[in-house]
Amino acid sequence: EVQLVQSGAEVKKPGESLKISCKATGYSFTRYWIGWVRQMPGKGLEWMGIIFPGDSQATSSPSFHGQVTFSVDKSINTAYLHWTTLKASDTAIYYCARTQSYGSGWPFIDSWGQGTLVIVSS
Amino acid sequence: EIVLTQSPAALSLSPGERATLSCRASQSVSSYLAWYQQRRGQAPRLLIYDASNRATGIPARFSGSGSGADFTLTITSLEPEDFAIYYCQQRYNWPVTFGQGTRLDLK
Repeated sequence: EVQLVQSGAEVKKPGESLKISCKATGYSFTRYWIGWVRQMPGKGLEWMGIIFPGDSQATSSPSFHGQVTFSVDKSINTAYLHWTTLKASDTAIYYCARTQSYGSGWPFIDSWGQGTLVIVSS
Repeated sequence: EIVLTQSPAALSLSPGERATLSCRASQSVSSYLAWYQQRRGQAPRLLIYDASNRATGIPARFSGSGSGADFTLTITSLEPEDFAIYYCQQRYNWPVTFGQGTRLDLK
């Protein structure tokens, strides 16, 4: 069974750094792109970017370019989302997800983590 | 960036009724459209991929149709657990984008 287990909720201050994690089990971690999705309070889903654990190739959506960093540790089947300088507007639930892509085109998501709530407040 | 517009924004129906949700793209996305369901307080889950393919374990009352720029998610005979928010997502162009969601409410 594919499972993505994310790290727990975080409460941080503006200007602080943060790294949240997503541990994958039940499939070959290096063969599927991992996507990250943001959901701000009471709002819809926003695709942040994707990373391929096999070679750490990553692509960000323009809205998130330069704002976050995606990384993986293949030795422990874990993906990370990293901020160097948090802002109050980063308050949201962040989902990691396994993606699939049949044929051409970019991927869709076939399995989701449970989400990590990040609260940034002074 | 491809904009996906979902309609209606909210829909109030009763169990047993049929729900028809629409997703319109600002340009053609071929058949590269997925639908997700998000129940309150839960992570989303995949319902339909590539316009009309049901994901593993999804009941047959969920079906997707369309191609190009106009897509429909149909739920025949609503069950109590179907009242949730539904999102479409295109994977034709980068950045991948979601629609703003349709909230399906219990009448």
